[in-house]
Amino acid sequence: EIVLTQSPGTLSLSPGERATLSCRASQSVRSSFLAWYQQKPGQAPRLLIYGASSRATGIADRFSGSGSGTDFTLTISRLEPEDFAVYYCEQYGSSPRTFGQGTKLEIK
Amino acid sequence: EVQLVESGGGLVKPGGSLRLSCAASGFTFSSYRMNWVRQAPGKGLEWVSSISSTSSYIYYADSVKGRFTISRDNANNSLYLQMNSLRAEDTAVYYCARDGFGGYDPLYYWGQGTLVTVSS
Repeated sequence: EIVLTQSPGTLSLSPGERATLSCRASQSVRSSFLAWYQQKPGQAPRLLIYGASSRATGIADRFSGSGSGTDFTLTISRLEPEDFAVYYCEQYGSSPRTFGQGTKLEIK
Repeated sequence: EVQLVESGGGLVKPGGSLRLSCAASGFTFSSYRMNWVRQAPGKGLEWVSSISSTSSYIYYADSVKGRFTISRDNANNSLYLQMNSLRAEDTAVYYCARDGFGGYDPLYYWGQGTLVTVSS
């Protein structure tokens, strides 16, 4: 199975700053079938990005995804207070679908 | 509006059984593949099982194969997970999640989850 490694484990930033989250796969992700989810405490994950770079319905344009092959990035251009959460990447191009271990984005 | 509502979680002893349910609404349930994903306390996400729209294709994570059974009732817009021979490591919040029609799709919609605790 494909192992996804996210970095950093924790990212401490202030509102208004730019956040860059990384997701590296143990082997190439088929056709960039890579998604990003946001999860806040006590809530279910919410789909942000799919196909490596397509925003899901209703997602603010400050969220963007990029990458291909084994290296993917989620960028939040200007952090809003509601963006502080845990972010997971997921590959769904190979069975079984697998998730990264998560990056916690915390307020500095 | 898509809604997924899980139920059936609770406290069960090791070796015991539990059946989770997920009631779906706001979309044509019979057209979509469905999944169960779990999250142990303070941990990350783990895909558990998926079932195609007509139940023709069913897959399990190695960690639950032979112990868990996924099923669905398209007439009643419901998804199920029968969990047998439960272990402490099965303790988690279990989410049902909808993906696409059967190709390569992310998990577009998630329920709020139901907590399963396996402990003596």
